[in-house]
Amino acid sequence: SQTIHQWPATLVQPVGSPLSLECTVEGTSNPNLYWYRQAAGRGLQLLFYSVGIGQISSEVPQNLSASRPQDRQFILSSKKLLLSDSGFYLCAWSVQGDHYGYTFGSGTRLTVV
Amino acid sequence: DQQVKQNSPSLSVQEGRISILNCDYTNSMFDYFLWYKKYPAEGPTFLISISSIKDKNEDGRFTVFLNKSAKHLSLHIVPSQPGDSAVYFCAATGMNNAGNMLTFGGGTRLMVKP
Repeated sequence: SQTIHQWPATLVQPVGSPLSLECTVEGTSNPNLYWYRQAAGRGLQLLFYSVGIGQISSEVPQNLSASRPQDRQFILSSKKLLLSDSGFYLCAWSVQGDHYGYTFGSGTRLTVV
Repeated sequence: DQQVKQNSPSLSVQEGRISILNCDYTNSMFDYFLWYKKYPAEGPTFLISISSIKDKNEDGRFTVFLNKSAKHLSLHIVPSQPGDSAVYFCAATGMNNAGNMLTFGGGTRLMVKP
């Protein structure tokens, strides 16, 4: 069966520090991968999506970047965090060419102090 | 430009009664709609979906209705239970959507009172 792993679950980082959040998917090949953010009291905002290794599309210009070094690995990064980067970050995957929606990871609560 | 809107940020319902969560969309290319449920500090989980070729889909206590002419869908929960208290997100996508991207609404927080 397919599973998605996202870590860490919580993170407190100082302003200006780097960030690396990792997401891996098991049990499937060539998935679509997504990074979402939910700011406090807000909806789900799509940050990045990827349809293949090395293929990253950015939906919102910001202080973050994403990479997909392997088929089932998706990384969200920042060189210097801002206070406004605080939020709940969610990784998700879906089947290529399919319509069945996403499976989300358990999320990372990032607090920038 | 919000293509999917959930105009009620919160809803409070008594246990055993019906909960109705609403969602409106503007993009006529959307042809598949989903509802997700999210507890605090957890990822959203898929609840129920509906294709645009249908106007109703039922799964136990959960029913989703789709009105294509009004570009409106709703989620009915009957009877509501305290464990249903969560944030519910409506989402939409289209067959021609590269990457199967879902567009989410802003969510509605449902509180079911015992």
